[in-house]
Amino acid sequence: DAGVIQSPRHEVTEMGQEVTLRCKPISGHDYLFWYRQTMMRGLELLIYFNNNVPIDDSGMPEDRFSAKMPNASFSTLKIQPSEPRDSAVYFCASRDGQETQYFGPGTRLLVL
Amino acid sequence: QQQVKQSPQSLIVQKGGISIINCAYENTAFDYFPWYQQFPGKGPALLIAIRPDVSEKKEGRFTISFNKSAKQFSLHIMDSQPGDSATYFCAASSGSARQLTFGSGTQLTVLP
Repeated sequence: DAGVIQSPRHEVTEMGQEVTLRCKPISGHDYLFWYRQTMMRGLELLIYFNNNVPIDDSGMPEDRFSAKMPNASFSTLKIQPSEPRDSAVYFCASRDGQETQYFGPGTRLLVL
Repeated sequence: QQQVKQSPQSLIVQKGGISIINCAYENTAFDYFPWYQQFPGKGPALLIAIRPDVSEKKEGRFTISFNKSAKQFSLHIMDSQPGDSATYFCAASSGSARQLTFGSGTQLTVLP
């Protein structure tokens, strides 16, 4: 298996633009997690899905953030409109019935 | 409380030395305590994990010590190598979803 796949790996955009981050979890994994990593706040859980259904989005910082999982092999995290303070590395992780979460390589987002 | 406190923030060790990173938690519902290792530009990857029914777990040069009464756990890296230079995160989880609450991270540098 190729592991968790994220795209793009890097994204530079201007304030006010829409940003869409993509994630393909490991096949057979029924949990998908979105995290944000910054120097100031460390690794924060934004939202997670179980069997494509959003379970807990209490970590989503604002209404500007939204996440979807239309099927078992694809999820998106969208920021609209983006702001400079959204600059961070965004990770997607997935797991199966076991406890280990497998992280993707992350998307480094810079909002100018 | 969901917080997991990790120290030190950074650690410099000579090759062959012992690296020790400490974490403490408050939520007694936590029942799974993994350590993740992150190299620059990569996503975190599971290193070793422990459940509170044991006081120690060893895998190669890596050992977790767990003190349930004190609500503390630590990672010991024996015979530290330059290749161990990375950021280490402790984490804790509970419940069926196993969403992780991460510590703030420790940047380990092993000098050759």
